[in-house]
Amino acid sequence: AQSVTQPDIHITVSEGASLELRCNYSYGATPYLFWYVQSPGQGLQLLLKYFSGDTLVQGIKGFEAEFKRSQSSFNLRKPSVHWSDAAEYFCAVGASGGGADGLTFGKGTHLIIQP
Amino acid sequence: DGGITQSPKYLFRKEGQNVTLSCEQNLNHDAMYWYRQDPGQGLRLIYYSQIVNDFQKGDIAEGYSVSREKKESFPLTVTSAQKNPTAFYLCASSSRETQYFGPGTRLLVL
Repeated sequence: AQSVTQPDIHITVSEGASLELRCNYSYGATPYLFWYVQSPGQGLQLLLKYFSGDTLVQGIKGFEAEFKRSQSSFNLRKPSVHWSDAAEYFCAVGASGGGADGLTFGKGTHLIIQP
Repeated sequence: DGGITQSPKYLFRKEGQNVTLSCEQNLNHDAMYWYRQDPGQGLRLIYYSQIVNDFQKGDIAEGYSVSREKKESFPLTVTSAQKNPTAFYLCASSSRETQYFGPGTRLLVL
């Protein structure tokens, strides 16, 4: 069975500073990887996804993530955060068929932006 | 507008009562999913359906039931057997390996 670990429960970043959120996964084959963002009391919005090909993927809102098979990681990055980026971020992995049987989520990282 | 709708936004359940959460999508997606979210726990899969009239249990199906009579609809019933139903429930639908989520329903116990 697959699993996802997000080591950081909370991260505080100053506005304008760079950001990296960590995600490690466990899955025997090539995984389908996703990053979602959730504002309080809302549903999840897809930021980006990796299925195959170029290991550096670009997403919405200026986010990017890099798939590193050797480290079983899929870390999310942004060069300069904005106050509106404050939210909960979830990394997820899908198995067969890209998650047709459902996604496995990490427990999330709560991002706090300092003015 | 295309999307996923969930209703109601808030739902209150009395002890011993069954309640049903609605999920509708007009994205023409074949697959639909129900997840439960608890604080600090991420999302956990309850049930999923890849086609009409067929559905599968997820990781935490006990105390829940679903139906899939129409492609657009995938209602979730929280039964009285679910002893800890207080949570945020998220519905998703999927096309080409990517899941899109509805706005969620928060279930509270009176």
